Amino acid sequence: DGGITQSPKYLFRKEGQNVTLSCEQNLNHDAMYWYRQDPGQGLRLIYYSQIVNDFQKGDIAEGYSVSREKKESFPLTVTSAQKNPTAFYLCASSIYTPSPNYGYTFGSGTRLTVV
Amino acid sequence: AQTVTQSQPEMSVQEAETVTLSCTYDTSESDYYLFWYKQPPSRQMILVIRQEAYKQQNATENRFSVNFQKAAKSFSLKISDSQLGDAAMYFCAYRRGETSGSRLTFGEGTQLTVNP
Repeated sequence: DGGITQSPKYLFRKEGQNVTLSCEQNLNHDAMYWYRQDPGQGLRLIYYSQIVNDFQKGDIAEGYSVSREKKESFPLTVTSAQKNPTAFYLCASSIYTPSPNYGYTFGSGTRLTVV
Repeated sequence: AQTVTQSQPEMSVQEAETVTLSCTYDTSESDYYLFWYKQPPSRQMILVIRQEAYKQQNATENRFSVNFQKAAKSFSLKISDSQLGDAAMYFCAYRRGETSGSRLTFGEGTQLTVNP
């Protein structure tokens, strides 16, 4: 079955460490997205990528970095510059152009906690 | 920039009753899409219903329907015959209708409780 796989499900980070969250999709979707979810704030866009080797900053990109070397993969690195990284992170993908089957497919998320 | 507002942080409904969740949005675009997503305790995001702005007819998916008021920029979700499994966080979302893989902008969410 096609879908998006995020790993790990839970991740613990020590102060000053960089950590990388994995996101892989086998839907042949062109666009991929990273969102951060905090209580009472909905989902906020961190980074997105519409094609391989290209990505754009979202609303809260500071302290994060991404790469898009393959169509299937869009890993997110939470750097030590991100001062409050504890949150739930969701990866999503979508077809590049609008179509009747329109919207995002989401992964199951990664819960990141700073210890 | 587009914004989406959900003014009801929490709602509750009795099982088998009907509930309406509110959503307003702000945009200067004429071509866009609106969505309602459901996030149960598993935290998996599930698409509930979508509405194309150019369609005047309100979208319906089984027990879920929307009231799309384009001039008022309002997009409410009605859940009929509420079931215990409907308990979840519901997010309203907006997307520009361009062909460039546009982003989804989400509201803050409404936590729906279904009472037996």
